Amino acid sequence: EAQVTQNPRYLITVTGKKLTVTCSQNMNHEYMSWYRQDPGLGLRQIYYSMNVEVTDKGDVPEGYKVSRKEKRNFPLILESPSPNQTSLYFCASRRLAGTFQETQYFGPGTRLLVL
Amino acid sequence: QKEVEQDPGPLSVPEGAIVSLNCTYSNSAFQYFMWYRQYSRKGPELLMYTYSSGNKEDGRFTAQVDKSSKYISLFIRDSQPSDSATYLCAMSDKSYNTDKLIFGTGTRLQVFP
Repeated sequence: EAQVTQNPRYLITVTGKKLTVTCSQNMNHEYMSWYRQDPGLGLRQIYYSMNVEVTDKGDVPEGYKVSRKEKRNFPLILESPSPNQTSLYFCASRRLAGTFQETQYFGPGTRLLVL
Repeated sequence: QKEVEQDPGPLSVPEGAIVSLNCTYSNSAFQYFMWYRQYSRKGPELLMYTYSSGNKEDGRFTAQVDKSSKYISLFIRDSQPSDSATYLCAMSDKSYNTDKLIFGTGTRLQVFP
């Protein structure tokens, strides 16, 4: 089954404690990205990656890091989480070839609470 | 002013009704327009995709784009309780490779039996 998986699905942590949210896709997609979703603000892109070792900032990259060492994985790293990073996070992937956007898949989401 | 505006709702309709969901935008460079459906506690899933102006129909769903008015719509005919979800519009300019999508805040729809 084609899917994007994220772990953990729920996470409560404290300010300053480094954490990593993993994202993995089994569709051999070149393109992966991270979004955060907040009430009244919608989905905002944090980082994206067009292929292995190629990453770039989205609209709200401050406080986040990413890496793309393997095609299937795109972890999101919060080096020193702060309460304003409390949010619902989504990973997404798609092929670069083919019709624009038609093959984008979202993961199930990771709900993060930073105390 | 946000680049994409969407009424958050909630919109509550009886089963069988025709639903109209709308977004307005300010960036005239947007060429690609999408509607996503998001069920509670799930990730968004692509519902409809339209390039430039015009209509696109898929079963009970019709997407319309009016670039002159910077206005897009999603119509749902014969709405069902299973259509209850949040509907997000999204759009992008011609920068295919950057995948820069701008999302609306979403409209919550509830269809009651």
